[in-house]
Amino acid sequence: DTAVSQTPKYLVTQMGNDKSIKCEQNLGHDTMYWYKQDSKKFLKIMFSYNNKELIINETVPNRFSPKSPDKAHLNLHINSLELGDSAVYFCASSLLYTRYTFGSGTRLTVV
Amino acid sequence: GENVEQHPSTLSVQEGDSAVIKCTYSDSASNYFPWYKQELGKRPQLIIDIRSNVGEKKDQRIAVTLNKTAKHFSLHITETQPEDSAVYFCAASREYGGSQGNLIFGKGTKLSVKP
Repeated sequence: DTAVSQTPKYLVTQMGNDKSIKCEQNLGHDTMYWYKQDSKKFLKIMFSYNNKELIINETVPNRFSPKSPDKAHLNLHINSLELGDSAVYFCASSLLYTRYTFGSGTRLTVV
Repeated sequence: GENVEQHPSTLSVQEGDSAVIKCTYSDSASNYFPWYKQELGKRPQLIIDIRSNVGEKKDQRIAVTLNKTAKHFSLHITETQPEDSAVYFCAASREYGGSQGNLIFGKGTKLSVKP
């Protein structure tokens, strides 16, 4: 049973398209996150959700929007994709902000 | 907000040698410091963490030390093995910190262990 699962694993799409990445956790954690890992391997936080409330939103373009239907899910929707959005996106979850567990990542390639 | 600096960016050691990775943080209120290991094409995985009320923690060949006054913490790997080769990330956050509780990562250290 995968603790944090995200789909799809690979996503290749054209500029201007809209796409979504799904994330689910079965750990009973109370907070979920999205991180972006660029080509230099830098892990940068994008969003976090706690009890269905967005509690932080870093300087991320508003083309990116997190959607959380319940505590176990945090999906990432991206509008009007740009070349610079190409990266690996990791979902993660935690209990009380420690011991994050990461999903396996989604490699997004915008062509 | 928190800023975490990590050094070196790359580290190459011979099998059996020790490896040390150092990080500094800027937010004196940060009190939780985990280390993650990321193998090529895989997810980051927690290998050890330390809280600010502890100065050192060990788990087999891995140890982490924390100097709160200087705001720096280090990862020590002894008797390195080829399977230790990976990118290692340090991070810092405020436990129970609400919006300040999100992990802020260093830029990573690529460790190569040569047989």
